[in-house]
Amino acid sequence: EDQVTQSPEALRLQEGESSSLNCSYTVSGLRGLFWYRQDPGKGPEFLFTLYSAGEEKEKERLKATLTKKESFLHITAPKPEDSATYLCAVQAYGNEKLTFGTGTRLTIIP
Amino acid sequence: EADIYQTPRYLVIGTGKKITLECSQTMGHDKMYWYQQDPGMELHLIHYSYGVNSTEKGDLSSESTVSRIRTEHFPLTLESARPSHTSQYLCASSEGGRQWRYTFGSGTRLTVV
Repeated sequence: EDQVTQSPEALRLQEGESSSLNCSYTVSGLRGLFWYRQDPGKGPEFLFTLYSAGEEKEKERLKATLTKKESFLHITAPKPEDSATYLCAVQAYGNEKLTFGTGTRLTIIP
Repeated sequence: EADIYQTPRYLVIGTGKKITLECSQTMGHDKMYWYQQDPGMELHLIHYSYGVNSTEKGDLSSESTVSRIRTEHFPLTLESARPSHTSQYLCASSEGGRQWRYTFGSGTRLTVV
């Protein structure tokens, strides 16, 4: 059974204080790993898709990396508007389902 | 700017009522999905569709039904709402290729009293 574990559950940072969020996964043949941002009361907003170990993608202050067992979302010099819940999900070959983690709730303090 | 639209955003309804949650997308995606999300919990797939006239059940047991008569429209129906159906329902669609991603709507927050 595919599994995704995200850590920490919650993270509070000062504005400008860089950090990383972790997504550990087990999947029977990774087709893709996804990162999403979710604001309260809204649907997840797409950030990145990673396909294979060693791949990296960047968008503004965010950088996602992938190994065979985990993915990291690095946040550099965050701003208050980066506060949100960040979700990680995996999809296995032959399976339409995305398996999600419970997310990391990130709070950036001005 | 939303390309996938869900209505209503919020719904409070009495036990036993029939309800339909609407989902429409303007991107021409063949694949569409319904996920259920409780506060602080993972999203769980309840239904999906590969295209017109195709519907499949997901992993999470659900008493809801779906239909796909048009590419852009994927409504979810509960014939008789119960308090256990109280949750957030998220609709999504996906495209493959180099821009492979799942695009989610803003969700419908359903409360059954």
